[in-house]
Amino acid sequence: DAKTTQPPSMDCAEGRAANLPCNHSTISGNEYVYWYRQIHSQGPQYIIHGLKNNETNEMASLIITEDRKSSTLILPHATLRDTAVYYCIVKPETSGSRLTFGEGTQLTVNP
Amino acid sequence: GAVVSQHPSRVICKSGTSVKIECRSLDFQATTMFWYRQFPKQSLMLMATSNEGSKATYEQGVEKDKFLINHASLTLSTLTVTSAHPEDSSFYICSARGGQTRNSPLHFGNGTRLTVT
Repeated sequence: DAKTTQPPSMDCAEGRAANLPCNHSTISGNEYVYWYRQIHSQGPQYIIHGLKNNETNEMASLIITEDRKSSTLILPHATLRDTAVYYCIVKPETSGSRLTFGEGTQLTVNP
Repeated sequence: GAVVSQHPSRVICKSGTSVKIECRSLDFQATTMFWYRQFPKQSLMLMATSNEGSKATYEQGVEKDKFLINHASLTLSTLTVTSAHPEDSSFYICSARGGQTRNSPLHFGNGTRLTVT
């Protein structure tokens, strides 16, 4: 599986946009980019995923660069409840649904 | 959306006893479920893939005789930690795919905090 690199931690002010970067420079053509988050002592929560095009849903937007070597998860108006560890995961189509988690980014939203 | 329920959420057991954790897909059928383990301040580690009607597939280093997995129906997988020891204390999380395609996202249960005394 392609490896991902994320900053270990980030801070964001409540109400502002949180932009979480992820580097996946070895991504191959059939690999999707998934984002999950884990609030303390809970199971991970699916946020969004994409292949090439930018994606948006009710939780967040996913911006994937044209060369697909990096992506950014955007939480448009962060709240205190968005404080969590955010995981960027690249998954090849052939591996079925299994996900391999890295260390993620601890996002802390401050009042 | 797809909901995965895990039970119990928290369990304390004595060393040498066995503990069973249940994982249910509430509004969809899951032929495959995944079991993860998470130690404090660490990321999730995949333990095994649970396949309905067949044997589970274990990751390297995970003892299949210690972590018994049964996936007897399309909505239920169980993980039994046998002869538990304090080092088995961890956060155990299950997941299942919520859609029909291979790239459908996984949905996770809320985890089971196991403490072995």
